[in-house]
Amino acid sequence: DVKVTQSSRYLVKRTGEKVFLECVQDMDHENMFWYRQDPGLGLRLIYFSYDVKMKEKGDIPEGYSVSREKKERFSLILESASTNQTSMYLCASSPLGGGTEAFFGQGTRLTVV
Amino acid sequence: QKEVEQNSGPLSVPEGAIASLNCTYSDRVSQSFFWYRQYSGKSPELIMSIYSNGDKEDGRFTAQLNKASQYVSLLIRDSQPSDSATYLCAVRLGYGQNFVFGPGTRLSVLP
Repeated sequence: DVKVTQSSRYLVKRTGEKVFLECVQDMDHENMFWYRQDPGLGLRLIYFSYDVKMKEKGDIPEGYSVSREKKERFSLILESASTNQTSMYLCASSPLGGGTEAFFGQGTRLTVV
Repeated sequence: QKEVEQNSGPLSVPEGAIASLNCTYSDRVSQSFFWYRQYSGKSPELIMSIYSNGDKEDGRFTAQLNKASQYVSLLIRDSQPSDSATYLCAVRLGYGQNFVFGPGTRLSVLP
């Protein structure tokens, strides 16, 4: 079974804090993704990575950065958390092949106060 | 801008009926198509994937793809209350590409 594990299920942070969301997958997948999900807006891609140290901006990268130093780990960093970054954050991974699906972690519900 | 649209919900059907969920996509080079189910507060889980024109059946679920019309659908036969969830349509352009998700359609199956 593919396992994608996010470090926290719920997180509460203060405005201005630097926040790290960690994601680890155990299936040797090349691709990893960070999405945020907000009511009425669906899943929006923040960043994705197709290889170690490689990253591509998604639709809403502002205020975020990512790090992929090892193949199995993809970190999302909120440089200075703001209340409009309160959201559900979902990490996913997939093999490179176009016909394969994305496997999701359990999600992190982040609240910025 | 690559877009994926889904029929607006919420969609309510009685138990035992057929639920029909629709999705259209804007990028003609899209290669792979996926339907995910998401229960409230949970992460999306894959129900069906489809890559070729036509129908693909898996139990009570049937996915239909028409690339000429840029349309993909999901039929749920004999709907059960446990099918009540948000259904997300996702499209992948190809090798190494990311996934583009639709906004989701919320389905309620009434006992």
